[in-house]
Formats: sequence, C-alpha cells, structure tokens
Amino acid sequence: NAGVMQNPRHLVRRRGQEARLRCSPMKGHSHVYWYRQLPEEGLKFMVYLQKENIIDESGMPKERFSAEFPKEGPSILRIQQVVRGDSAAYFCASSPFGQGAIANEAFFGQGTRLTVV
Amino acid sequence: DQQVKQNSPSLSVQEGRISILNCDYTNSMFDYFLWYKKYPAEGPTFLISISSIKDKNEDGRFTVFLNKSAKHLSLHIVPSQPGDSAVYFCAASAQGGSEKLVFGKGTKLTVNP
Repeated sequence: NAGVMQNPRHLVRRRGQEARLRCSPMKGHSHVYWYRQLPEEGLKFMVYLQKENIIDESGMPKERFSAEFPKEGPSILRIQQVVRGDSAAYFCASSPFGQGAIANEAFFGQGTRLTVV
Repeated sequence: DQQVKQNSPSLSVQEGRISILNCDYTNSMFDYFLWYKKYPAEGPTFLISISSIKDKNEDGRFTVFLNKSAKHLSLHIVPSQPGDSAVYFCAASAQGGSEKLVFGKGTKLTVNP
C-alpha cells in the first residue's frame, strides 16, 4: 500500500510564475489536507478537501491560492503569481475519514519544497 | 497568536538517558493532542497521541503526559537512542481529533552516542 505521494519533491519558480503541487492520497483515502511549513516554523493548516468538495479553507490566503480534489486524479494546490514569501515546504496528508475522524489517522506525504527565485 | 507552543527549539541528551520534550497550549477547546516525529526532507510521522480524558498514554519507549489544568503536555522517551534524533512537533486538535491540527514550531532532539 503506497503512502501519500507528493510531486514534485522540489519546485523552483521565478516570481510571477504559477506553481502546481500534486498530492495522491493513500489508497482508500478520500480526505486530503494541505499544510505549509515556513522556515523555522511549525506546519500550518491551509485547506481540507473531500472528493470534489472544499470542506474547510480557513487557512488559505485569500488571493493567489486555490486547491481542488477532483473525482479522478490527485489533489492540486495551485499558487498563482508566486512571490518569495511563498517559499516553503508544502505537506499533504490524507485520511480515510473526515468529520469524526481521529487525527492520528492522517498520514503525511514527504512534501514539496517550493523555492521562489 | 500561537496556540501551541514548544519553547525549546533544541534539546541534546546522551544515549540511554531520558528525553523530555515539552508543549504548552492556550486554546481550551483542544481535546486531542499528538506528537509527530520528522526527519529532514520527510513528512511528519505520527508518534503517539492522548485524549483529554486521560493524563497519560504509553507506547513502548514513548510516554505522553497531559496536565489539563496547566495546559501542558510532555513527551518522554526512555531510553533515548541515536535514531530518535529528529524534530518533534506537538499538535493539538478540537472535537476529539476531527478538527484540523494546530502545530507547535518543533523541538530538534539530538541523541548523542
């Protein structure tokens, strides 16, 4: 059973370009969470999605950031017009349950390290 | 406003001794607490958790203690091993663990042989 797969592992973008980060959840998991870790910081929640639905996007910046989890394919975190402050590690976690789940059921991917130059 | 605080950025212990990592929280709605271990260039790995209805949970060498009145929890690792060297994150959740995780900044543990 493959774990949570994130790609690319490393992504370099110039200021103003778009960044697309992909997350394939574990088999049988239909709930995906995105977290961002800035340098020297802990992970901060961004968004929680189920298939085709955004459940909680309270941690997403209001502009330039969007996320989706289509019926088929991976979850995508999209950052438009990237700026230097977007440089961070972006982690995806998946779980088989959503509301009422226990947090330790969530498994994290290895992350995508975004560098904006 | 940091709701979960890990005030020690780093900790160094000798192999075989006890490692104690501390975590404080401010949000009274948190009722489920977790510790994650993270190696460089990898994602966090779940280590151990505790519900607010308990004050202790043990799993092998790892024990988590919860003091609700002080809003404080700690992770004890005994005996410490060099392979335990990693960054440890404390995380908290509300609604019995079904709400999003709120993480501390982490403590880097180094276990010296």
